[in-house]
Amino acid sequence: NAGVTQTPKFQVLKTGQSMTLQCAQDMNHEYMSWYRQDPGMGLRLIHYSVGAGITDQGEVPNGYNVSRSTTEDFPLRLLSAAPSQTSVYFCASMGQGNTGELFFGEGSRLTVL
Amino acid sequence: AQSVTQLGSHVSVSEGALVLLRCNYSSSVPPYLFWYVQYPNQGLQLLLKYTSAATLVKGINGFEAEFKKSETSFHLTKPSAHMSDAAEYFCAVGSGTYKYIFGTGTRLKVLA
Repeated sequence: NAGVTQTPKFQVLKTGQSMTLQCAQDMNHEYMSWYRQDPGMGLRLIHYSVGAGITDQGEVPNGYNVSRSTTEDFPLRLLSAAPSQTSVYFCASMGQGNTGELFFGEGSRLTVL
Repeated sequence: AQSVTQLGSHVSVSEGALVLLRCNYSSSVPPYLFWYVQYPNQGLQLLLKYTSAATLVKGINGFEAEFKKSETSFHLTKPSAHMSDAAEYFCAVGSGTYKYIFGTGTRLKVLA
């Protein structure tokens, strides 16, 4: 039972570098999302998607891009990393019906120097 | 706009004591409310959810929460804490727009 798989688990970048955090789910969920978790700030929604070809912004979208070409995958791209993007990133998916039950990956810890 | 406030970033209880984690919400429409738990180095998992059915909601691991509209609260309780309950707990609110807003979290410590 893979569920939601995130890669890489850890990454160190230099300011200005680009990278992509990968997220894949095998539950045929239409909804996928990206959150960042920072101490004392909880989880904040970056972007989300309600199906292939459809994406929308969350609370903190600046500096991040997403695309949804397949139901299974929802990559998060940082085009020019900044130290303020140092965080733990979580991908989450949800099945049909907007039930509110999000299934989370184990997280990707990103450090930007 | 929706928001969630969790009172107390850290809560300590003795093993066997009552657990009470507080959550207040703000929503312009009838809310969906959730509690999630996060164990160290893991993602979040759903404990329980309120979606306008019964106001007292029972979840996994003996936790329950009561929706009180007059107080705009959705506090999480467990009658008797166990060492394995030590984790971080997040309250979240949704309204059917697919934007789920999380609180800042409460870290529960259980003392032997």
